[in-house]
Amino acid sequence: DTEVTQTPKHLVMGMTNKKSLKCEQHMGHRAMYWYKQKAKKPPELMFVYSYEKLSINESVPSRFSPECPNSSLLNLHLHALQPEDSALYLCASSQQGTDTQYFGPGTRLTVL
Amino acid sequence: TQLLEQSPQFLSIQEGENLTVYCNSSSVFSSLQWYRQEPGEGPVLLVTVVTGGEVKKLKRLTFQFGDARKDSSLHITAAQPGDTGLYLCAEPPGAGSYQLTFGKGTKLSVIP
Repeated sequence: DTEVTQTPKHLVMGMTNKKSLKCEQHMGHRAMYWYKQKAKKPPELMFVYSYEKLSINESVPSRFSPECPNSSLLNLHLHALQPEDSALYLCASSQQGTDTQYFGPGTRLTVL
Repeated sequence: TQLLEQSPQFLSIQEGENLTVYCNSSSVFSSLQWYRQEPGEGPVLLVTVVTGGEVKKLKRLTFQFGDARKDSSLHITAAQPGDTGLYLCAEPPGAGSYQLTFGKGTKLSVIP
């Protein structure tokens, strides 16, 4: 099973809303990632968790707050977003940091 | 982090035609991966090439890694509408890193 699942598939939110994106994998991977992808652009790394600890934060604004409750789950909490934050948010996981990353289908986020 | 140049950026062809897309860098790759991303989905790994001069085939897709490990190509024979998507080359993270470095991608449209 090489599946990474993400919910919801689509999300529309206002600038004052608080919402969360969820990601789950059951491959026993110890590294999990959040990426942001704008239309026709490659994915951009936002956060990396390794062994449930935040290892990388690529200077992401604090309105994005990641959380790793356990080794299988990764959340991204959203608050006071801007319209320019509208994008496809991808989760990925890998066995270790240098191993192949497996991507989920993404959450299409629209901020009104 | 090295820069990966992909060409062409956009490609629109008729079903049944052949095509080649390219990925180049001024630096040597340790290894290189090709992903395909269909609209509204996450990237899916197609292949990893490691050895200079290596050729790998995946049905109608042929991947080549340059002898000097500075370039790679993806050739599709008899393209089908199902081949439509964004093709991304990426350099996997090195030791101690989590950074998967993507090229800007080639957006392929295969017209029935």
